[in-house]
Amino acid sequence: GAGVSQSPRYKVAKRGQDVALRCDPISGHVSLFWYQQALGQGPEFLTYFQNEAQLDKSGLPSDRFFAERPEGSVSTLKIQRTQQEDSAVYLCASSYPGAAPSYEQYFGPGTRLTVT
Amino acid sequence: RKEVEQDPGPFNVPEGATVAFNCTYSNSASQSFFWYRQDCRKEPKLLMSVYSSGNEDGRFTAQLNRASQYISLLIRDSKLSDSATYLCVVFGGSYNTDKLIFGTGTRLQVFP
Repeated sequence: GAGVSQSPRYKVAKRGQDVALRCDPISGHVSLFWYQQALGQGPEFLTYFQNEAQLDKSGLPSDRFFAERPEGSVSTLKIQRTQQEDSAVYLCASSYPGAAPSYEQYFGPGTRLTVT
Repeated sequence: RKEVEQDPGPFNVPEGATVAFNCTYSNSASQSFFWYRQDCRKEPKLLMSVYSSGNEDGRFTAQLNRASQYISLLIRDSKLSDSATYLCVVFGGSYNTDKLIFGTGTRLQVFP
């Protein structure tokens, strides 16, 4: 079946622009996650949704970052007034709690954001 | 100090070699552990879960030492296709989150 999809795959933004990144999770997956991966680093957690509820946003680096999942399926990560340090790959993952193996998260291909 | 620490490598090994990666984690309350594999410019994918008793999947063996807060991955008879970054991952879940905590990753390059 279809995996997690993300769009756009690549985004170049001028410093100060706003960007919106989209994630389509696997159909039926309740949990959705956003991670940020800088070059040469492992993914860093940003935020977590269970259905439409944003249960954990402890990883969002500043109030310029905002995520939503209004109908419990598609999610959007918005970054306002982008800065150069926001350049990274933004990964979306989804999972179905209780599925085996426990807590496996399925990742999308990511959106590579470059802020110039 | 990062919650999950790994040697970033790279590890350059010939085909057929055995290679081991290590990882330490700081939260002694952590309950679930994984190794994910990430190919260059691709997304991470689950390689295997890590159980207290140790577990094996073909040429791959994972071990957990809770007392030392240490996780390992052993790859036997390395193949060219094993070249990738191996991410040590700890489940950071609690009552309100199911987040994963990733190490920096260890890069493996297998050469002919």
